[in-house]
Amino acid sequence: AQKVTQAQTEISVVEKEDVTLDCVYETRDTTYYLFWYKQPPSGELVFLIRRNSFDEQNEISGRYSWNFQKSTSSFNFTITASQVVDSAVYFCALSETGGGNKLTFGTGTQLKVEL
Amino acid sequence: NAGVTQTPKFQVLKTGQSMTLQCAQDMNHEYMSWYRQDPGMGLRLIHYSVGAGITDQGEVPNGYNVSRSTTEDFPLRLLSAAPSQTSVYFCASSRLAGGRPYEQYFGPGTRLTVT
Repeated sequence: AQKVTQAQTEISVVEKEDVTLDCVYETRDTTYYLFWYKQPPSGELVFLIRRNSFDEQNEISGRYSWNFQKSTSSFNFTITASQVVDSAVYFCALSETGGGNKLTFGTGTQLKVEL
Repeated sequence: NAGVTQTPKFQVLKTGQSMTLQCAQDMNHEYMSWYRQDPGMGLRLIHYSVGAGITDQGEVPNGYNVSRSTTEDFPLRLLSAAPSQTSVYFCASSRLAGGRPYEQYFGPGTRLTVT
């Protein structure tokens, strides 16, 4: 069975600090997809990134970057120069192929960015 | 495009009552799903559908029914509400292509309280 672990329940940083959110996954499939979603205080879920298991290139989008390492089954998310607007709960999720699009979510990391 | 819409936004039920949470999407997505979000547990899949007339159970299906008569709509029915079903419910949709999971778009959520 697939599993996603986000060991950091809550992280507090001061604005402009860099912060990394950890995500470790378990799956028996060789082909799978990983996602990150953001849930701001307003409650909606916002898609951030999708990565398949064959693409281990790191990705950067503005202040956001993702580090995918199959060797350690990790898909970590870094926010550079954090801002108050980054305060949210961040979820990592895993989907295996052949099962439709069933997502297994981690329990989320609450990020608080303070002035 | 409205994206994924859910009604109602809030609902209070008494134990034993039944109700239907509505979900609709206007993106012509094949895949639709229902999740529940409970504190400290992330999101868990209740039911999903890969097309009209096709539904299947997720991780926590007990106490819920679904049907998919059209591509656009995917209602979730609570048969006999219990306090354990107090949660925030999210509907989501995505395209499916060649069995590869794509990012899911989430509705705004329904906050349900069962007393």
